[in-house]
Amino acid sequence: DVKVTQSSRYLVKRTGEKVFLECVQDMDHENMFWYRQDPGLGLRLIYFSYDVKMKEKGDIPEGYSVSREKKERFSLILESASTNQTSMYLCASSPGLAANEQYFGPGTRLTVT
Amino acid sequence: GENVEQHPSTLSVQEGDSAVIKCTYSDSASNYFPWYKQELGKGPQLIIDIRSNVGEKKDQRIAVTLNKTAKHFSLHITETQPEDSAVYFCAAIVNTDKLIFGTGTRLQVFP
Repeated sequence: DVKVTQSSRYLVKRTGEKVFLECVQDMDHENMFWYRQDPGLGLRLIYFSYDVKMKEKGDIPEGYSVSREKKERFSLILESASTNQTSMYLCASSPGLAANEQYFGPGTRLTVT
Repeated sequence: GENVEQHPSTLSVQEGDSAVIKCTYSDSASNYFPWYKQELGKGPQLIIDIRSNVGEKKDQRIAVTLNKTAKHFSLHITETQPEDSAVYFCAAIVNTDKLIFGTGTRLQVFP
């Protein structure tokens, strides 16, 4: 069965902290994505990756970075967390070329105080 | 930039009635249009998708229609049930590699 897991369901961090959100997929998918979900704004793409050590900026990359050292793992990093980064973060993966179903993890609700 | 508009933002229907959610997209090159359902506490899950070479696709009580000329597509749910209550997102592929999502529709089905 297809599975995308995220390291935490809920996370509370303080302003200025460095935050790591981890995502692991067990489907041998090439593509991985990080989105944030906010009420009334839908899902917005932060970063994505087509292969190990590759990364592409999405629509809202400011304040974030990513790391993909292994095919199955894609990490989102908040270098210095701010209150406006309080949100739901969703990781997804998809096989091969674009235009394919994306499989989502359950999400991490991050609160920055 | 490219965007996808989705309406309505909330929709309440009686069990057994039909529900329709509409989306419009701006990138005329888009050729893949998925619909995702997100239940409380879970990530979105694909329920149906359509590619630009067809105008309609059905899967049991769910159907999606696509009008490429008008650049809009719709999700139709017939004989709604309480378990259909969720948030639904439409999306369109942009630049052949990114999905742009709509803002979501919260569907409530009352017994």
